[in-house]
Amino acid sequence: NAGVTQTPKFQVLKTGQSMTLQCAQDMNHNSMYWYRQDPGMGLRLIYYSASEGTTDKGEVPNGYNVSRLNKREFSLRLESAAPSQTSVYFCASSEAAGGPYEQYFGPGTRLTVT
Amino acid sequence: QKEVEQDPGPLSVPEGAIVSLNCTYSNSAFQYFMWYRQYSRKGPELLMYTYSSGNKEDGRFTAQVDKSSKYISLFIRDSQPSDSATYLCAMTPGASKIIFGSGTRLSIRP
Repeated sequence: NAGVTQTPKFQVLKTGQSMTLQCAQDMNHNSMYWYRQDPGMGLRLIYYSASEGTTDKGEVPNGYNVSRLNKREFSLRLESAAPSQTSVYFCASSEAAGGPYEQYFGPGTRLTVT
Repeated sequence: QKEVEQDPGPLSVPEGAIVSLNCTYSNSAFQYFMWYRQYSRKGPELLMYTYSSGNKEDGRFTAQVDKSSKYISLFIRDSQPSDSATYLCAMTPGASKIIFGSGTRLSIRP
């Protein structure tokens, strides 16, 4: 039982390059989330998927797209990376959206855009 | 103004001390209040969860919610070096996205 897995763990991009961050969970959870974490800013929600087949914008969606590929997988795409997207990205999942459902987080992807 | 405010610290205390971590919030619709713990270079993990006002105790940890003041606290008794981490408060009105505080970095000195 791996929980939430993310790939890659580290990535360096040049400005303008694109990439997809992958996330998978094996807990049969309905809801999945993408956050970014920057110093002093805490966790900010980028996009979430309350259930398979639905996606919604969070607090900071600009410059990102998501795909809920199936119940297990939720990917985050940067179409044209910018230095402002340098951050640590966390994927999370929960049984359902909101409280009181615990969110389980992956180990994170450290992205640097030069 | 952010919906959830949390002092970023860092907070450094000696082993065995009582630690108090706090958050304030502005949205009176918040009903569920959580504390997540995040070790360095790891993802956050749920530590405690409280519904509405009141206290909840789990071992050395006590969570308090004062909805009238829009203020929540986490107390750690007999703090240990293994408690050194970043603590994030989080809250939600219900079936909606969770709002996280910015986190307080805590260091327990042996």
